[in-house]
Amino acid sequence: DQQVKQNSPSLSVQEGRISILNCDYTNSMFDYFLWYKKYPAEGPTFLISISSIKDKNEDGRFTVFLNKSAKHLSLHIVPSQPGDSAVYFCAASANSGGSNYKLTFGKGTLLTVNP
Amino acid sequence: DTEVTQTPKHLVMGMTNKKSLKCEQHMGHRAMYWYKQKAKKPPELMFVYSYEKLSINESVPSRFSPECPNSSLLNLHLHALQPEDSALYLCASSQDSRFNQPQHFGDGTRLSIL
Repeated sequence: DQQVKQNSPSLSVQEGRISILNCDYTNSMFDYFLWYKKYPAEGPTFLISISSIKDKNEDGRFTVFLNKSAKHLSLHIVPSQPGDSAVYFCAASANSGGSNYKLTFGKGTLLTVNP
Repeated sequence: DTEVTQTPKHLVMGMTNKKSLKCEQHMGHRAMYWYKQKAKKPPELMFVYSYEKLSINESVPSRFSPECPNSSLLNLHLHALQPEDSALYLCASSQDSRFNQPQHFGDGTRLSIL
């Protein structure tokens, strides 16, 4: 049962335009959300996060929006650059029932930014 | 450059071999993690160490044996693996697993079981 879903396996945008990557979740216990970027042959790189008490967090060209009622978050990249081409993973965090937090990842979306 | 270093980058082993994966971080983090990632799939958590103690084991088979010798090092000892264990093994660290914080990943070890 997938608790974090990225329903678009791939997305293609033109350089300079906005990229919007979407993520849905089902577990109401998730209270912290993250986006990671992954290039081939490298590990995931942390991009940006948002706590469930906020609805928006911005860092440079990257903005994450959280809609708790819809259990939906999105990552906006403006303007998109060819170097942004990578797989983007959405991740959500919840307490494991002990005293530790665990991440659950979506399957990822391959973003291609065309020059 | 990643601040979490994993060695080796690639490993090919037979089903009867014993080998170890290594992970090192010098960010002063007190939580370290092992993940397994199959092709076209998301990373799946295997183990969590908090302050050098195993705090989460996600029902991983005993042929995978983690070890945390000190706060900077994390090992994964492998023995009698199966072909289905071929995957990318990722190590990550965070400041403290008791709080919501980003995890920082290494580049992984690509493991192939013959």
